[in-house]
Amino acid sequence: GAVVSQHPSWVICKSGTSVKIECRSLDFQATTMFWYRQFPKQSLMLMATSNEGSKATYEQGVEKDKFLINHASLTLSTLTVTSAHPEDSSFYICSARPPPEETQYFGPGTRLLVL
Amino acid sequence: AQTVTQSQPEMSVQEAETVTLSCTYDTSESNYYLFWYKQPPSRQMILVIRQEAYKQQNATENRFSVNFQKAAKSFSLKISDSQLGDTAMYFCAFRRMEYGNKLVFGAGTILRVKS
Repeated sequence: GAVVSQHPSWVICKSGTSVKIECRSLDFQATTMFWYRQFPKQSLMLMATSNEGSKATYEQGVEKDKFLINHASLTLSTLTVTSAHPEDSSFYICSARPPPEETQYFGPGTRLLVL
Repeated sequence: AQTVTQSQPEMSVQEAETVTLSCTYDTSESNYYLFWYKQPPSRQMILVIRQEAYKQQNATENRFSVNFQKAAKSFSLKISDSQLGDTAMYFCAFRRMEYGNKLVFGAGTILRVKS
């Protein structure tokens, strides 16, 4: 199957700082990528759809200015958590679907801890 | 809007036994895709099996098979000859057919395989 990577795999930061998470499709081009947030023992919550060359589409209730998404190339999308606070601590996962496949492939996730 | 329901928060099964995880969904679409994903303790999301709604035949992947009942909007996963490595959280997911459409996840079922 297709491979999606994320970097970093985990990050610890101080409250008030910004953190950038990268999502890369390693062996395919993705015009669309998805960003999820997951709390322990809960389901994945879609945060936004990242569109190459255009603005991301955010789900209801997700703060656009808090979670900045940039999809500057067909293989890279970034999620920046701005002015992070402890409540932003979570597991963040990205996914992408290589056309013409119907399956979405997921990155290994990024654990964020804000102190 | 589409919804996916997994009514079993947790299940356990003895090694080598068979277990069935249930999933129901609600949609007005006639063509769509259904997926089962597995999330082991590593938290990497892994595709288990996929079903196209327009296909009558139930999908099968080695020890994993589904019982797809389109009229009842039911999509259960059967795991045969359960192995310790099957211990994971299992998510049922729905996606409309058009490219770029997002996955809608159920709440998940934690499956524990006991030796």
